[in-house]
Amino acid sequence: EAHLVESGGGLVQPGRSLRLSCAASGFAFDDYAMHWVRQAPGKGLEWVSGISWNSGSIGYADSVKGRFTISRDNAKNSLYLQMNSLRPEDTALYYCAKDSGYETTADLDYWGQGTLVAVSS
Amino acid sequence: QAGLTQPPSVSKGLRQTATLTCTGNSNNVGNQGAAWLQQHQGHPPKLLSYRNNNRPSGISERLSASRSGNTASLTITGLQPEDEADYYCSSWDSSLSVVVFGGGTKLTVL
Repeated sequence: EAHLVESGGGLVQPGRSLRLSCAASGFAFDDYAMHWVRQAPGKGLEWVSGISWNSGSIGYADSVKGRFTISRDNAKNSLYLQMNSLRPEDTALYYCAKDSGYETTADLDYWGQGTLVAVSS
Repeated sequence: QAGLTQPPSVSKGLRQTATLTCTGNSNNVGNQGAAWLQQHQGHPPKLLSYRNNNRPSGISERLSASRSGNTASLTITGLQPEDEADYYCSSWDSSLSVVVFGGGTKLTVL
């Protein structure tokens, strides 16, 4: 069964950067698209970014476009999210999620436990 | 990037049937379908139904998903206390090439 473990969250000042990682196991990582989804405290789910199996197709939510960069290393079974110019409204629990297909869809069939990012001065 | 529309809350009695709805447009739910996720407080979301309305392995047969036009529905029969949770729909928007989520429905089992 797929297992996803996020890391890299923490408290950061506005305008600073943070890099999140997601370690995947239990499935053929390089066969599936992957996503980052966030959830602000007490709020709903917000899609952040997705990447296809071979990094050939990448998408971002308007709220993070130009500031966040998604990437993956299939040799290391790892997904990353580089977050620059962080804002207080980026404060959320960030989930790594596996897609059921090799291209990005909305069928997110496995989720990690999340890593908390807090942006505050 | 407008999200999908879900009612904020639904309340039903034990052993009753609840139907949750999710409304989008022809670029997402209308031609891509909607997946459904369940989230209990303090836990990550769990996929209940794929966009093609099939259930992942291990998901109860009490849950069934369907779609009519731009509105998707999740029906839960024989409600149990453990069904009390937040439910989210998601879809792929083929025009914007993004994943869109609904705002979530809090299901209360009385």
